[in-house]
Amino acid sequence: AQSVTQLGSHVSVSEGALVLLRCNYSSSVPPYLFWYVQYPNQGLQLLLKYTSAATLVKGINGFEAEFKKSETSFHLTKPSAHMSDAAEYFCAVSETDSWGKFQFGAGTQVVVTP
Amino acid sequence: EAQVTQNPRYLITVTGKKLTVTCSQNMNHEYMSWYRQDPGLGLRQIYYSMNVEVTDKGDVPEGYKVSRKEKRNFPLILESPSPNQTSLYFCASSLFGQGNTEAFFGQGTRLTVV
Repeated sequence: AQSVTQLGSHVSVSEGALVLLRCNYSSSVPPYLFWYVQYPNQGLQLLLKYTSAATLVKGINGFEAEFKKSETSFHLTKPSAHMSDAAEYFCAVSETDSWGKFQFGAGTQVVVTP
Repeated sequence: EAQVTQNPRYLITVTGKKLTVTCSQNMNHEYMSWYRQDPGLGLRQIYYSMNVEVTDKGDVPEGYKVSRKEKRNFPLILESPSPNQTSLYFCASSLFGQGNTEAFFGQGTRLTVV
């Protein structure tokens, strides 16, 4: 069974600093991987997804993530944090035969300080 | 506008009083699902549906029911709510794909059972 681990339930970054959110997955086959963002009092919104094309995936709002099969990782980065990046971020995985079912990580709350 | 609509957004109820949370999507998606979000646990799938009249249990189905009589609607029913069902609930829909399709989420329903 697939599972997703997000390291760090809370991350605090200074405005302008690098944002790095870690995600590791366990899957018997290379999965499809997603990052979602949840702003306060809102639903989840897709940031980016990896579907076995390029290993470096660019998403919205300046975020990108790199799929590393050898490390079973899909870490999310943004070179320069903005105050509007304060939100909760979820890594999710699905497999080829999952037909729409996702396994989510526990989430990482990002706080951006001036 | 493509969207998933949940109602109500907030609900406070008493133990044992049956309630229904509605979910509707306008994207003609085959796959719909319900998740609950609890601190430190991320999103856990309650039930899912691959099409009309086709539903199945997710990871945490106890105490919940669903129905899929129309493609656009997927209500979540709590026949006898208990305090441990106090949570934030999300409905999601996606195309019926081989794991590489993103999910679209509703705004969430915050349920409190007293």
